[in-house]
Amino acid sequence: QSALTQPPSVSGSPGQSVTISCTGTSNDVGSYDRVSWYQQSPGTAPKVIIYEVNNRPPGVPDRFFGSKSGNMASLTISGLQAEDEAVYYCGSYTVRSTYVFGGGTRVTVL
Amino acid sequence: QVQLQESGPGLVKPSETLSLTCSVSGGAISGYYWVWIRQPPGKGLEWIGYIFYSGNTSYNPSLKSRVSLLLDTSKNQFSLKMSSVTAADTAVYFCARLTSSWDAFDIWGQGTMVTVSS
Repeated sequence: QSALTQPPSVSGSPGQSVTISCTGTSNDVGSYDRVSWYQQSPGTAPKVIIYEVNNRPPGVPDRFFGSKSGNMASLTISGLQAEDEAVYYCGSYTVRSTYVFGGGTRVTVL
Repeated sequence: QVQLQESGPGLVKPSETLSLTCSVSGGAISGYYWVWIRQPPGKGLEWIGYIFYSGNTSYNPSLKSRVSLLLDTSKNQFSLKMSSVTAADTAVYFCARLTSSWDAFDIWGQGTMVTVSS
């Protein structure tokens, strides 16, 4: 199975918005609303910030917003803050009852 | 609060079998899927496979021939075995919980670094 496609990096100034795309296929992202997003800071385990396309776990700020259209999911971070600097990964369930991740996107706060 | 902790050798020789265990504390294994994910140095996440508490499994097709997951409910542990390892298997290995109510990996271990080298 091929990894989902994410841009290697995005950047923005504090207070701005950035959007990370996650492109899959009809075998994964396009087939189910089972897309999740993870935030990973250096030296730590990933943390789920979005599940089932657009749901936030308790404690995750509403600045994080997930969406999906067709085979592409997106994560938007609005009101960018310095603490949002991290690598973000999307993940999706697939038609083969497996899971696949994206390659990761590094978010830099300028 | 449920916590996960990986354990196992940090160094494995090429062609040998990598064995890791994940201990689950603060909650029961039943009712959840239990997962292994790895991350080569400086690279992204790779899903290895999951095992349901009933024993059902699913594996990454690219690793399926070399991987097996086992569950020990009496010890509240699950384990990963990967055979015929090469340098390409060098990575941080994470165990995690997949919750069906979120369909996401909601709890992670801290990860353990495994190096394949002679």
